[in-house]
Order: sequence, then C-alpha cells, then structure tokens
Amino acid sequence: KAGVTQTPRYLIKTRGQQVTLSCSPISGHRSVSWYQQTPGQGLQFLFEYFSETQRNKGNFPGRFSGRQFSNSRSEMNVSTLELGDSALYLCASSLESAAYEQYFGPGTRLTVT
Amino acid sequence: AQSVSQHNHHVILSEAASLELGCNYSYGGTVNLFWYVQYPGQHLQLLLKYFSGDPLVKGIKGFEAEFIKSKFSFNLRKPSVQWSDTAEYFCAALDAGNMLTFGGGTRLMVKP
Repeated sequence: KAGVTQTPRYLIKTRGQQVTLSCSPISGHRSVSWYQQTPGQGLQFLFEYFSETQRNKGNFPGRFSGRQFSNSRSEMNVSTLELGDSALYLCASSLESAAYEQYFGPGTRLTVT
Repeated sequence: AQSVSQHNHHVILSEAASLELGCNYSYGGTVNLFWYVQYPGQHLQLLLKYFSGDPLVKGIKGFEAEFIKSKFSFNLRKPSVQWSDTAEYFCAALDAGNMLTFGGGTRLMVKP
C-alpha cells in the first residue's frame, strides 16, 4: 500500500507570495490532518479534513487555509507569506480521525525569503 | 487549550541503558495518548497509544508507556536501548474535541 505523499518536497518563496501544498493520503483513509513543524514551536496542528469538510482547526491565522477533494486528497494554502511561515509542513492521514493511527508523509520544506 | 510537555529535550544514553522519557498533559477530561517516533531520515510513525483499560501499554520495538491519571503523565520506557533507537520521540494527546496536541519532542542519542 502506498504511503502518504506530499508535493512538492521543497519550496522557496518570497515574502508576500502565496503557496499551495498538496497531500495524497493512503488509499481508503478519509481523514487528513496538517501540521506545521518548526524548531521553536515543534509540531503544531493546523487543521483536519474529513469527507471534504474541515472538522477541526488549530490556532493559526486565516492566511492558512485548506480543502479536501472527493478522493480525499488535500491541499493547504498559505497566502501573504511571512518569514515565520518557514517550516516543515506535514500531512497525516488516518481511517476516520486522529484517534486512529495517523500515517505521516515526508513533509514539504517551505522556505520564505 | 490543552498542552503537552516533554521535559527532556535531549537525552544521551549508552547501549543497554534503560530509558524513561517524561510526558505530561494538561487536559483533565477523557484523553487519548500517543507516542510517535521519528528515526533519522524517516517519517513520523506511531510507537504506541493509550485509549482506555490497562494503563501499561506495550508498543513496537520493546517500548512501553504507563498512563498515570493522577499525575497527568504518560512516560515512555524501554529497559535496554539499542543504537537503532536513536530518534526523536513525540508525546501527543487527543482531547474530546479530536484535536491532537504534540509535545516539543525529545531527541534521543544512543552511543554504541
């Protein structure tokens, strides 16, 4: 069974730009969660999608948004990028929710200059 | 908001030493607890989890964790570590709102 895939793996953007990251969950998994990982703040929950609906949202500004498609693939978008948005963005999928085992992807390393 | 604390940020042990990594959570209600591990160059993966029942949970690779409700703790243990246990370990708690909160992580280095 293929694992969680994330594209692109690395990205360099300039302040003020916007970016879209993509996540393909494991086949059959309906829940997709996004996390931001930084050396200073650790792993922070961004949001969770289930059946194309945002089910939970972490404490991030509205510049961070996401969506899920009917095939469970998910995208997250960050608008008006700031230097502090530089981080590893991890996607995790699970059967129904985070209460089940989450399978993490390799992450997208975003650098904002 | 719930918080999860891992007090040991870096731990260095020799092979065969015993390991205990501390984890404390703040949520007072029903909580599900997890330990995830990230080996160098690999994805985060689940080590073990506690939902209910026996507070002593056994996971993969000889790891175990004990849930102590009165102390809001879920410490990870292994009687004898190996060099291959070198990794970063994350404790996480899932509250009733289904929000998963991670601790800051503990980097474990095992010297051969």
